[in-house]
Amino acid sequence: SQQGEEDPQALSIQEGENATMNCSYKTSINNLQWYRQNSGRGLVHLILIRSNEREKHSGRLRVTLDTSKKSSSLLITASRAADTASYFCATDWTYTGANSKLTFGKGITLSVRP
Amino acid sequence: NAGVTQTPKFQVLKTGQSMTLQCAQDMNHNSMYWYRQDPGMGLRLIYYSASEGTTDKGEVPNGYNVSRLNKREFSLRLESAAPSQTSVYFCASSLTGGRTGELFFGEGSRLTVL
Repeated sequence: SQQGEEDPQALSIQEGENATMNCSYKTSINNLQWYRQNSGRGLVHLILIRSNEREKHSGRLRVTLDTSKKSSSLLITASRAADTASYFCATDWTYTGANSKLTFGKGITLSVRP
Repeated sequence: NAGVTQTPKFQVLKTGQSMTLQCAQDMNHNSMYWYRQDPGMGLRLIYYSASEGTTDKGEVPNGYNVSRLNKREFSLRLESAAPSQTSVYFCASSLTGGRTGELFFGEGSRLTVL
């Protein structure tokens, strides 16, 4: 399975601290994406990093990608209580010809304590 | 701009009953997807439609059928519901499906099969 494996499964930090979440995958990818899901809501796209990119920033988010290790990390700096949510990594990989699929991991539950 | 709209938001069925989940997007996206989310399983792709007029199976298609009615609408049908289909169903859309970019999700449809 190409499914990304997130680590840790759950993370609890104090407001103002940084949160680091990791994702590993098994086969070559076209891109890797991170999504956030607040309780009872749909998923919201956070950031996409292509296979030829190594690092990307968006506001307080920093994503790195190491294709040699088949891993990615998501760093949220200066966390806020509003960052409390589940975070999913998703890998886009080619399964035939020009067609690709996006496969999600099981998610990381982040709790940010006020 | 509503994005991706799913109906109904909640549904309770008895085993053997049928129902259709409706999904519509107003972003002129080419590709649409149906996922199910179960505790500890992450999101699993049921069916997808890379473009209007095409549909294809995902990871867990058994017990489901889909219809891409037009570019905007993609419905998911359960012909004979089973308790194993109790889940939260998410519809999503993306601009293109060849190299999957950002997915936009609906708020989910929570289905319980008794």
